[in-house]
Amino acid sequence: DAGVTQSPTHLIKTRGQHVTLRCSPISGHKSVSWYQQVLGQGPQFIFQYYEKEERGRGNFPDRFSARQFPNYSSELNVNALLLGDSALYLCASSLGFSSGGSTDTQYFGPGTRLTVL
Amino acid sequence: QQQVKQSPQSLIVQKGGISIINCAYENTAFDYFPWYQQFPGKGPALLIAIRPDVSEKKEGRFTISFNKSAKQFSLHIMDSQPGDSATYFCAAFRNSGTYKYIFGTGTRLKVLA
Repeated sequence: DAGVTQSPTHLIKTRGQHVTLRCSPISGHKSVSWYQQVLGQGPQFIFQYYEKEERGRGNFPDRFSARQFPNYSSELNVNALLLGDSALYLCASSLGFSSGGSTDTQYFGPGTRLTVL
Repeated sequence: QQQVKQSPQSLIVQKGGISIINCAYENTAFDYFPWYQQFPGKGPALLIAIRPDVSEKKEGRFTISFNKSAKQFSLHIMDSQPGDSATYFCAAFRNSGTYKYIFGTGTRLKVLA
Protein backbone atom coordinates (compact mmCIF):
# COMPACT_ATOMS: atom_id res chain seq x y z
CA ASP A 1 0.00 0.00 0.00
CA ALA A 2 1.18 3.51 -0.77
CA GLY A 3 2.03 5.69 2.17
CA VAL A 4 1.30 9.38 2.51
CA THR A 5 2.39 11.25 -0.58
CA GLN A 6 3.19 14.94 -0.84
CA SER A 7 3.93 17.25 -3.72
CA PRO A 8 6.03 18.99 -4.67
CA THR A 9 9.18 17.67 -3.00
CA HIS A 10 10.95 21.00 -3.09
CA LEU A 11 9.78 24.51 -3.77
CA ILE A 12 11.51 27.88 -3.98
CA LYS A 13 9.45 31.05 -3.70
CA THR A 14 10.11 34.72 -3.08
CA ARG A 15 8.70 36.87 -0.34
CA GLY A 16 5.11 37.92 -0.87
CA GLN A 17 4.25 35.03 -3.14
CA HIS A 18 1.64 32.37 -2.53
CA VAL A 19 2.22 28.62 -2.32
CA THR A 20 0.02 25.52 -2.44
CA LEU A 21 1.19 22.21 -1.05
CA ARG A 22 -0.63 18.95 -1.68
CA CYS A 23 -1.07 15.75 0.27
CA SER A 24 -2.68 12.38 -0.41
CA PRO A 25 -3.40 10.28 2.68
CA ILE A 26 -3.07 6.56 3.13
CA SER A 27 -6.01 4.72 1.62
CA GLY A 28 -8.78 4.43 4.18
CA HIS A 29 -7.55 7.33 6.29
CA LYS A 30 -10.03 10.16 6.66
CA SER A 31 -7.93 12.62 8.61
CA VAL A 32 -5.09 14.81 7.39
CA SER A 33 -2.91 17.02 9.54
CA TRP A 34 -0.34 19.59 8.51
CA TYR A 35 2.84 20.44 10.36
CA GLN A 36 5.66 22.92 9.92
CA GLN A 37 9.12 21.70 10.85
CA VAL A 38 11.85 24.29 11.05
CA LEU A 39 15.39 22.91 10.87
CA GLY A 40 16.44 21.50 14.22
CA GLN A 41 12.96 21.67 15.75
CA GLY A 42 10.06 19.32 16.24
CA PRO A 43 7.01 19.49 13.98
CA GLN A 44 4.58 22.29 14.86
CA PHE A 45 0.90 21.54 14.39
CA ILE A 46 -0.84 23.78 11.85
CA PHE A 47 -4.19 22.17 10.97
CA GLN A 48 -6.13 18.96 11.29
CA TYR A 49 -8.98 18.05 8.96
CA TYR A 50 -11.41 15.21 9.29
CA GLU A 51 -14.21 14.50 6.85
CA LYS A 52 -13.51 17.81 5.11
CA GLU A 53 -13.99 19.82 8.28
CA GLU A 54 -11.32 21.64 10.26
CA ARG A 55 -11.03 19.96 13.66
CA GLY A 56 -7.90 21.58 15.01
CA ARG A 57 -5.76 24.64 14.42
CA GLY A 58 -2.36 25.54 15.80
CA ASN A 59 -0.94 28.99 16.50
CA PHE A 60 -0.33 30.08 12.94
CA PRO A 61 -1.43 33.34 11.27
CA ASP A 62 -4.39 33.60 8.93
CA ARG A 63 -1.98 33.54 5.99
CA PHE A 64 -2.10 29.77 6.46
CA SER A 65 -5.20 27.97 5.26
CA ALA A 66 -6.09 24.46 4.22
CA ARG A 67 -8.87 22.34 2.90
CA GLN A 68 -9.72 18.70 2.48
CA PHE A 69 -11.37 17.26 -0.60
CA PRO A 70 -14.04 14.52 -0.90
CA ASN A 71 -11.29 11.97 -1.68
CA TYR A 72 -9.61 13.02 1.62
CA SER A 73 -6.62 14.60 -0.07
CA SER A 74 -5.67 18.01 1.22
CA GLU A 75 -4.06 21.29 0.27
CA LEU A 76 -2.16 23.72 2.46
CA ASN A 77 -2.05 27.29 1.23
CA VAL A 78 0.26 29.99 2.48
CA ASN A 79 -0.20 33.58 1.35
CA ALA A 80 2.19 36.54 1.49
CA LEU A 81 5.20 34.35 2.13
CA LEU A 82 7.79 35.49 4.65
CA LEU A 83 11.41 34.39 4.99
CA GLY A 84 10.40 32.70 8.25
CA ASP A 85 8.03 30.39 6.38
CA SER A 86 11.03 28.47 5.05
CA ALA A 87 10.64 24.99 6.50
CA LEU A 88 9.75 21.39 5.85
CA TYR A 89 5.98 21.06 5.62
CA LEU A 90 4.76 17.68 6.70
CA CYS A 91 1.45 16.05 6.06
CA ALA A 92 0.25 13.23 8.27
CA SER A 93 -2.75 10.99 7.78
CA SER A 94 -4.68 8.99 10.33
CA LEU A 95 -7.93 7.12 10.69
CA GLY A 96 -9.44 10.04 12.51
CA PHE A 97 -12.11 10.37 15.11
CA SER A 98 -14.17 7.40 14.02
CA SER A 99 -11.39 4.94 14.80
CA GLY A 100 -13.20 4.03 17.98
CA GLY A 101 -10.56 4.98 20.48
CA SER A 102 -8.81 7.96 21.88
CA THR A 103 -5.58 7.23 20.03
CA ASP A 104 -5.00 8.60 16.57
CA THR A 105 -1.72 7.30 15.21
CA GLN A 106 -0.37 9.63 12.57
CA TYR A 107 1.67 8.51 9.58
CA PHE A 108 3.84 11.14 7.98
CA GLY A 109 4.70 11.83 4.40
CA PRO A 110 8.20 12.79 3.26
CA GLY A 111 7.40 16.48 3.38
CA THR A 112 7.72 19.46 1.07
CA ARG A 113 10.84 21.57 1.56
CA LEU A 114 9.84 25.22 1.08
CA THR A 115 12.51 27.87 0.69
CA VAL A 116 11.48 31.51 0.70
CA LEU A 117 14.05 33.93 -0.72
CA GLN B 1 0.41 23.57 29.55
CA GLN B 2 0.70 22.45 25.96
CA GLN B 3 4.45 21.86 25.98
CA VAL B 4 6.31 18.59 25.80
CA LYS B 5 9.86 18.99 27.07
CA GLN B 6 12.45 16.60 25.65
CA SER B 7 16.02 15.91 26.73
CA PRO B 8 18.81 15.59 25.95
CA GLN B 9 19.12 17.66 22.81
CA SER B 10 21.84 15.36 21.50
CA LEU B 11 23.24 12.00 22.55
CA ILE B 12 26.28 9.99 21.57
CA VAL B 13 26.31 6.29 22.42
CA GLN B 14 28.71 3.48 21.68
CA LYS B 15 27.49 0.57 19.59
CA GLY B 16 25.78 -1.95 21.85
CA GLY B 17 25.04 0.63 24.51
CA ILE B 18 21.69 1.87 25.83
CA SER B 19 20.26 5.14 24.56
CA ILE B 20 17.81 6.91 26.86
CA ILE B 21 15.68 9.89 25.87
CA ASN B 22 13.32 11.59 28.28
CA CYS B 23 10.15 13.62 27.86
CA ALA B 24 7.89 15.47 30.28
CA TYR B 25 4.44 16.88 29.76
CA GLU B 26 2.20 19.20 31.74
CA ASN B 27 -1.35 18.66 30.52
CA THR B 28 -2.92 15.58 32.10
CA ALA B 29 -5.51 15.51 29.32
CA PHE B 30 -2.96 13.93 26.98
CA ASP B 31 -3.81 10.27 26.53
CA TYR B 32 -1.48 8.88 23.89
CA PHE B 33 2.30 9.17 23.74
CA PRO B 34 4.11 8.11 20.55
CA TRP B 35 7.77 8.24 19.67
CA TYR B 36 8.90 9.05 16.16
CA GLN B 37 12.21 8.46 14.41
CA GLN B 38 13.32 10.82 11.67
CA PHE B 39 16.20 10.44 9.25
CA PRO B 40 17.56 13.45 7.34
CA GLY B 41 15.33 14.43 4.45
CA LYS B 42 12.52 12.13 5.56
CA GLY B 43 9.28 12.55 7.44
CA PRO B 44 9.00 11.19 11.00
CA ALA B 45 8.17 7.48 11.24
CA LEU B 46 6.23 6.01 14.15
CA LEU B 47 8.51 3.88 16.32
CA ILE B 48 6.49 2.90 19.36
CA ALA B 49 3.63 4.37 21.39
CA ILE B 50 2.04 4.00 24.81
CA ARG B 51 -1.15 4.93 26.62
CA PRO B 52 -1.09 6.20 30.23
CA ASP B 53 -2.79 3.10 31.64
CA VAL B 54 0.38 1.12 30.90
CA SER B 55 3.72 1.70 32.67
CA GLU B 56 5.95 0.04 30.13
CA LYS B 57 5.80 -1.17 26.54
CA LYS B 58 8.50 -3.08 24.71
CA GLU B 59 8.89 -3.72 21.01
CA GLY B 60 12.13 -5.38 20.04
CA ARG B 61 15.03 -3.21 21.19
CA PHE B 62 12.74 -0.25 21.92
CA THR B 63 11.02 0.27 25.28
CA ILE B 64 8.83 3.10 26.54
CA SER B 65 8.67 3.66 30.28
CA PHE B 66 5.75 5.78 31.48
CA ASN B 67 5.38 7.48 34.86
CA LYS B 68 1.90 8.93 35.04
CA SER B 69 2.28 10.57 38.45
CA ALA B 70 5.46 12.35 37.40
CA LYS B 71 4.05 13.10 33.95
CA GLN B 72 7.19 11.74 32.36
CA PHE B 73 7.98 9.10 29.77
CA SER B 74 11.17 7.85 28.24
CA LEU B 75 12.46 5.86 25.30
CA HIS B 76 15.13 3.24 25.85
CA ILE B 77 17.01 1.81 22.87
CA MET B 78 18.82 -1.34 23.88
CA ASP B 79 21.88 -2.63 22.00
CA SER B 80 22.07 0.64 20.05
CA GLN B 81 23.29 0.28 16.47
CA PRO B 82 24.80 2.79 14.02
CA GLY B 83 21.60 2.46 11.96
CA ASP B 84 19.70 3.92 14.92
CA SER B 85 21.47 7.24 14.36
CA ALA B 86 18.61 9.63 13.72
CA THR B 87 16.56 12.32 15.41
CA TYR B 88 13.93 11.08 17.84
CA PHE B 89 10.79 12.98 18.78
CA CYS B 90 8.37 12.28 21.56
CA ALA B 91 4.81 13.48 21.18
CA ALA B 92 1.61 13.78 23.17
CA PHE B 93 -1.90 13.54 21.81
CA ARG B 94 -5.28 14.62 23.10
CA ASN B 95 -8.57 13.96 21.40
CA SER B 96 -10.88 15.54 23.96
CA GLY B 97 -12.00 19.03 23.12
CA THR B 98 -9.62 20.59 20.65
CA TYR B 99 -7.52 18.09 18.73
CA LYS B 100 -3.91 18.41 19.86
CA TYR B 101 -0.74 16.68 18.75
CA ILE B 102 2.31 18.21 20.43
CA PHE B 103 5.86 17.22 19.61
CA GLY B 104 9.00 17.53 21.67
CA THR B 105 12.00 19.42 20.34
CA GLY B 106 13.89 16.30 19.31
CA THR B 107 17.02 14.39 20.30
CA ARG B 108 19.76 13.83 17.79
CA LEU B 109 21.22 10.39 18.47
CA LYS B 110 24.55 9.26 17.11
CA VAL B 111 25.66 5.69 17.65
CA LEU B 112 29.36 5.15 17.17
CA ALA B 113 30.50 2.01 15.42
